[in-house]
This record gives sequence, structure tokens and C-alpha cells, in this order.
Amino acid sequence: GAVVSQHPSRVICKSGTSVKIECRSLDFQATTMFWYRQFPKQSLMLMATSNEGSKATYEQGVEKDKFLINHASLTLSTLTVTSAHPEDSSFYICSARDWANTEAFFGQGTRLTVV
Amino acid sequence: AQSVAQPEDQVNVAEGNPLTVKCTYSVSGNPYLFWYVQYPNRGLQFLLKYITGDNLVKGSYGFEAEFNKSQTSFHLKKPSALVSDSALYFCAVSPATGNQFYFGTGTSLTVIP
Repeated sequence: GAVVSQHPSRVICKSGTSVKIECRSLDFQATTMFWYRQFPKQSLMLMATSNEGSKATYEQGVEKDKFLINHASLTLSTLTVTSAHPEDSSFYICSARDWANTEAFFGQGTRLTVV
Repeated sequence: AQSVAQPEDQVNVAEGNPLTVKCTYSVSGNPYLFWYVQYPNRGLQFLLKYITGDNLVKGSYGFEAEFNKSQTSFHLKKPSALVSDSALYFCAVSPATGNQFYFGTGTSLTVIP
């Protein structure tokens, strides 16, 4: 299957700082990328959907000014957690889909810890 | 509203026995249905999908799933469970029109040696 690379896999940051997470599709063009947040032993919560070159569509309850999503190219999307707080600590997962595939392919996830 | 339900948080099965992980869905129109598996601290791995055609879909690692339109179900099955199958399994649905993916709450499968 197609490969999606997510970086970093683990990050610790201080409260009040910003953290950027990258999601790259390595062998296909990702026309759509999804960002999820997962709490321990819970399902994936869709945060936003982004199509290349356009603004992301955020799910209800997700602060777009806090979770900045950029999908500037067909192979890269970034999620920036701005002014991070301890409650933002979580496992963040991206996935990507191209126009030809019905399934989405997932990155390895990023464990964010805000101290 | 689109939704996916996995009624069992936990499924335990003995190694070598058949396993079933249940999934039901509610989506307008014809759905695309998927199963993914997640190992600890990892992303999700695609197992199989149903788009159209034969109701029985075969996927990776010996897993299969049966699409039942009348019962709006898409249960995941494997004839003989392995200890290495122990993981978290997610059912997902995507409407045929639209970009969204909706996930169930996940079912933790434990295969007992």
C-alpha cells in the first residue's frame, strides 16, 4: 500500500510554545489529508480535513486558530499546535487519500506531551 | 447523520479459534466500508475494504469481512486467530460522495495462547 510518513513520532514541548507536525505522502499525491486526535484507549477524533491548495475544514469544537493546518502541496500537510497547553497532550495521527483510492493511508502518529 | 458502531469494546478469543469483530453503520447512500488495525503507539494499518460487488471481502493477514446491506453490518472475521492478531481494530465508513471518514470506537482484540 501507499506510504504516509509522519514526523516527529514523539515530541515534548513547554507550555506556551508551538509545535509543528508534518505528514508526507511518499509515493502518491494526497489530494485530501485528514488530521485526527486519539486519546488513550479511545477512537480517533477527526479534527479537520484538508484538500490541497484550499483551507482546511474543521470539525465542530476544534479551534482552527489553535490547530493550524496547511496543505500547500500534494505531498505535504502540516499541523501546528499553537500556544500548547498540557491538555493538548495527545496522540495525533494524519492520513492521506488520493483521487484514485477509496481508502486512506495513515502516518505512524505523533505523541505530543506538553509540560 | 453518518455513524459507525462497534458494540464490543473488548473481544477475547483463544488462539486457533475463529474470531469476529462486529461493526454496524449508518450512512446515507451507498457506503464505502473499511477495517483498520492499530498496534500500540502506531498509526492505523489498512486491512480491507468494501466498495461494491461481492459481499465477502478478503484482506490482509487472512482477515475477511462480510457486507450485509439489510443489517447494515460489516463484521470482521478470521477463521483461526493468532496471538499476533491482538490489537485494536477500527471499522470506518466513508460516503460514496464526500471526503469524510468516520470511525467506530474501536474494539480491542486479545488472542489468548
